[in-house]
Amino acid sequence: QSALTQPASVSGSPGQSITISCTGTSSDFNGYNYVSWYQQHPGKAPKLMIYDVSNRPSGVSDRFSGSKSGNTASLTISGLQAEDEADYYCTSYISDSIRIFGGGTKLTVL
Amino acid sequence: EVQLVESGGGLVQPGGSLRLSCAASGFTVSSNYMSWVRQAPGKGLEWVSVIYSGGNTYYADSVKGRFTISRHNSDNTLFLQMNSLRAEDTAVYYCAREVFGSGWAYMDVWGKGTTVTVSS
Repeated sequence: QSALTQPASVSGSPGQSITISCTGTSSDFNGYNYVSWYQQHPGKAPKLMIYDVSNRPSGVSDRFSGSKSGNTASLTISGLQAEDEADYYCTSYISDSIRIFGGGTKLTVL
Repeated sequence: EVQLVESGGGLVQPGGSLRLSCAASGFTVSSNYMSWVRQAPGKGLEWVSVIYSGGNTYYADSVKGRFTISRHNSDNTLFLQMNSLRAEDTAVYYCAREVFGSGWAYMDVWGKGTTVTVSS
């Protein structure tokens, strides 16, 4: 069964950089560059931060960047700010008929 | 302004039914892929269902046979009919628009969500 695995939590101090990983188990994940990332603050709706592995929607800070190597995609946040504290979820193309989210990563800004 | 507004959530007994609505503005529901995503209390995001612009529909295994996604083109609204509800269906339900990047879809617009509680 396809799955996307994320670390449960990461933390960093203001100004530092952190990276959240998203590891796929499906061969489809390995072969396609269709990874997206979402930010969710408590009690709020998710917000798109990255699509197609490394593209930022208009209005998203360039402190957010994405990459992918093999079966692992990564979201990097540089110049960490207090407002970045949130949950982050990855998704990826797996097949035409389903969508799947990673388990989510809680980012704590120390 | 592109916007999605969900409604229809509430408290329902196990085995009961509920229909969620998602009113869209600023774009046409029927021209896009539209998904429902839910989040149980304290848990992560779980994709529930999608309807394609061509009308094809797909469901997560956890809701297959119990939930039905549909849309009403004349009032630009997405629906989720939920039958045979279980306690584990308790969640905030979000609708989301999907748009295509270089080759596949991602969810670029989300509603604020509507809360469904299944309890006796």
